[in-house]
Amino acid sequence: DAKTTQPNSMESNEEEPVHLPCNHSTISGTDYIHWYRQLPSQGPEYVIHGLTSNVNNRMASLAIAEDRKSSTLILHRATLRDAAVYYCILRDQTGANNLFFGTGTRLTVIP
Amino acid sequence: DSGVTQTPKHLITATGQRVTLRCSPRSGDLSVYWYQQSLDQGLQFLIQYYNGEERAKGNILERFSAQQFPDLHSELNLSSLELGDSALYFCASSGGWGGSFEAFFGQGTRLTVV
Repeated sequence: DAKTTQPNSMESNEEEPVHLPCNHSTISGTDYIHWYRQLPSQGPEYVIHGLTSNVNNRMASLAIAEDRKSSTLILHRATLRDAAVYYCILRDQTGANNLFFGTGTRLTVIP
Repeated sequence: DSGVTQTPKHLITATGQRVTLRCSPRSGDLSVYWYQQSLDQGLQFLIQYYNGEERAKGNILERFSAQQFPDLHSELNLSSLELGDSALYFCASSGGWGGSFEAFFGQGTRLTVV
């Protein structure tokens, strides 16, 4: 599985937008970009995923670079409930399709 | 609620014992994944099943084994338990094989080995 690189931690003020970056320079053409988050003492939670085009859902937006070597998860208005570890993961459309989690980005939301 | 059910929520057992963790995937999901998360550690992939067949293995110890049954629920068996096996164990499920399918996680089983 191709690897991803994320900052260890980020801070955001409450009610402001948050842009969480992820680099995946070795991404293959069949890799989907997935984002999950893990709140304290809970199981990981699916956030969003995409292949080539930008994606929006009720939780967030995913902006994918034209060359697909990086992506950004956008939380439009951070709330205290968004404080979590965010994981950017590549999932191959072919092959074993494991979900390998890296260290993720710990997001702190400041009231 | 993700729709993935894990039982039990908490388990306390002694070293050397054997335990079984159970996972019921979301209705219709064919793929099940198991993960281990030790205190302040990342999520370590253990094993994946798809429609009853083992598809991939991660860092799963030989003392651990798993299976997926015809009704698609899965069990993770941990034997000869050691103190270091104390961790949160998560199960996830997804609808299909490809990367276009998102995965949904249960709330985990907290295992404490004393």
